[in-house]
Amino acid sequence: EVQLVESGGAAVQPGGSLKLSCVASGLNFDHYTMHWVRQPPGKGPEWVSLISWDGGSTEYADSAEGRFTISRDNNKNSLYLQLRSLRSEDTALYYCALRKDNDALDIWGQGTMVTVSS
Amino acid sequence: ATQLTQSPSSLSASVGDRVTLTCRASQAIRSALAWYLQRPGGPPQLLISDASTLATGVPSRFSGSGSGTDFTLTISSLQPEDFATYYCQQFNSYPITFGQGTRLEI
Repeated sequence: EVQLVESGGAAVQPGGSLKLSCVASGLNFDHYTMHWVRQPPGKGPEWVSLISWDGGSTEYADSAEGRFTISRDNNKNSLYLQLRSLRSEDTALYYCALRKDNDALDIWGQGTMVTVSS
Repeated sequence: ATQLTQSPSSLSASVGDRVTLTCRASQAIRSALAWYLQRPGGPPQLLISDASTLATGVPSRFSGSGSGTDFTLTISSLQPEDFATYYCQQFNSYPITFGQGTRLEI
């Protein structure tokens, strides 16, 4: 069974930093482009970033550009998202996701919560 | 960025009803559109990719159509488990974007 498990979410103060992790199992992790998607409480999802199978290509939402960094370690089946200069509007549930058998995001984790508040 | 506008924002319906949800893109996105269902407390679940391709394991009462800027998701006969929030998402260009959602209520 394919599984994605996120961790690293926490409550932080504005301006703080955090590193999120996502561990994948049940698939050949290094075959897939990986995504981060976030969802603020009570709102719709917002795509954040993606990284290609080999880490050679990345894309970011405007809201993440310059503050967030996506990376991966294929030897550890792990995806990361480094969050910096956090703002209250970054408060959200952060999901990792991938396209496996369909031409859209068909595998999702359960998410890890980031709360930015003083 | 490509904006996606979903309508209606909420919809009341009954079990057995046929409903159609709409997603309009601010610029042409070919058929690079997906539909998701989200129930409270869970992640989005893929229903449709490439505007009209049913995702693996999704019941055939769900169908999608459209290309360019106008897309629809149709549920032919609502079941109790279909009452949830639906989102469209475009993959045509970066940044990838989602619509604001349609909440389907009993």
